[in-house]
Amino acid sequence: EAQVTQNPRYLITVTGKKLTVTCSQNMNHEYMSWYRQDPGLGLRQIYYSMNVEVTDKGDVPEGYKVSRKEKRNFPLILESPSPNQTSLYFCASSLLTSGTPDTQYFGPGTRLTVL
Amino acid sequence: GDSVTQMEGPVTLSEEAFLTINCTYTATGYPSLFWYVQYPGEGLQLLLKATKADDKGSNKGFEATYRKETTSFHLEKGSVQVSDSAVYFCALRWIQGAQKLVFGQGTRLTINP
Repeated sequence: EAQVTQNPRYLITVTGKKLTVTCSQNMNHEYMSWYRQDPGLGLRQIYYSMNVEVTDKGDVPEGYKVSRKEKRNFPLILESPSPNQTSLYFCASSLLTSGTPDTQYFGPGTRLTVL
Repeated sequence: GDSVTQMEGPVTLSEEAFLTINCTYTATGYPSLFWYVQYPGEGLQLLLKATKADDKGSNKGFEATYRKETTSFHLEKGSVQVSDSAVYFCALRWIQGAQKLVFGQGTRLTINP
C-alpha cells in the first residue's frame, strides 16, 4: 500500500530535550516536505527536499533541522524544543512534475506537546 | 506574495443541504488549484484539483471550477452527508518553479443528521 508513515503519532516532551520525528514514504517520491498545522493558520511549510541531499527552508524553519540521506526518509529534528513548537506536524511527499511538486500525499500527523 | 483565503468556519449544515465553501487566491500568473480534505485524526488527502482556467475538478460529489476572472475556486456539493464532516483546505501551486503548496487556513465542516 502506497503511504507516508510518521512516528511517533503523539509525543509529550519537555523544553530542551532533543527529539526526532521520523517520516518515510514507499512511493519513490523525489519531493518531501514538513508542515506544521496550528489553529487559524492553516498549514505552514517548515522544510522541504527536492531529492537526496537537497533540502531547503520553508516559511517557518527556525528551531528545526532536517536531513535527506535516503530517498524514502525525511526526519524532522528539534534540537532544543520550546513550547511554541507545540503543534500538529505533517510530512508529505510527491513526485516532481516539470520540476515542481505534484499532488502531495500526507502522513497521519504527529501531535507534539512541549512542556 | 501568494495567498489563499477561505471562508471562515466552522460551518454547520444538516444532512442533504447544499454546500459552498469559498476560496479566493492572490497570485500573479496561473497557478494550479487544489482542495484537500482532512478527516478527524487523519492527514490531508487530495479531494480534487484544476490546473487551468475554466477547468472543473470533481470527486465524491464535490466540484470546484477554476475561475480566473474572479480568482476563485469555490467548493460545492449538492447534498452533503454526515461522512463529509471534516476540515477542508484550499491550496495553490505554480506550474513552474514553485517548491510548495500555499494553503488556506482551513474550514471545518460539521454535518448533522
